[in-house]
Amino acid sequence: GQNIDQPTEMTATEGAIVQINCTYQTSGFNGLFWYQQHAGEAPTFLSYNVLDGLEEKGRFSSFLSRSKGYSYLLLKELQMKDSASYLCAVPDRDYQLIWGAGTKLIIKP
Amino acid sequence: TAGITQAPTSQILAAGRSMTLRCTQDMRHNAMYWYRQDLGLGLRLIHYSNTAGTTGKGEVPDGYSVSRANTDDFPLTLASAVPSQTSVYFCASMAGQGATGELFFGEGSRLTVL
Repeated sequence: GQNIDQPTEMTATEGAIVQINCTYQTSGFNGLFWYQQHAGEAPTFLSYNVLDGLEEKGRFSSFLSRSKGYSYLLLKELQMKDSASYLCAVPDRDYQLIWGAGTKLIIKP
Repeated sequence: TAGITQAPTSQILAAGRSMTLRCTQDMRHNAMYWYRQDLGLGLRLIHYSNTAGTTGKGEVPDGYSVSRANTDDFPLTLASAVPSQTSVYFCASMAGQGATGELFFGEGSRLTVL
């Protein structure tokens, strides 16, 4: 079966760095997505990793290790607006996304 | 560009009543999806459509039906609502197929079934 695990909640300080982990179990692998969702709003796309390694996009980076079934989202120079839930998702064998429950990130001044 | 529009934004519905959540996109995307989001759970796929004229069942299809008469519209119908269908519903679309592209979401429809 498929399974995605993320921490439920994390707290970090404005200006700091935070790493949000995601572990997954899938039959076959077709990439891993990260989405951001502010409270009361729709999810928005952050990144898609299909190859191992780190991909950087401004203050946000996403890392993937296919052999370990592991990804993380790295957020640098945290800003208050980064307070949101971060959702990890992977396609299943029918190419439909399976979603983690999300990690709620709380940024404190 | 409007992107994806959902209606209504929120609704309170008596159990046993029927309800259609509307979803319209103006991006000419082939694939469209309906998800529900409940506290403590990930987004769960209800139904999907890879292209106009076709639909498929997701993880939690029971109690819901969809149609895809054209590219732009993908309504979700609850034939006889039950309290367990209280949730936030998101419609989404993707340019291609195969879940390797970016999903674009509507703003969501908050449904309460009493």
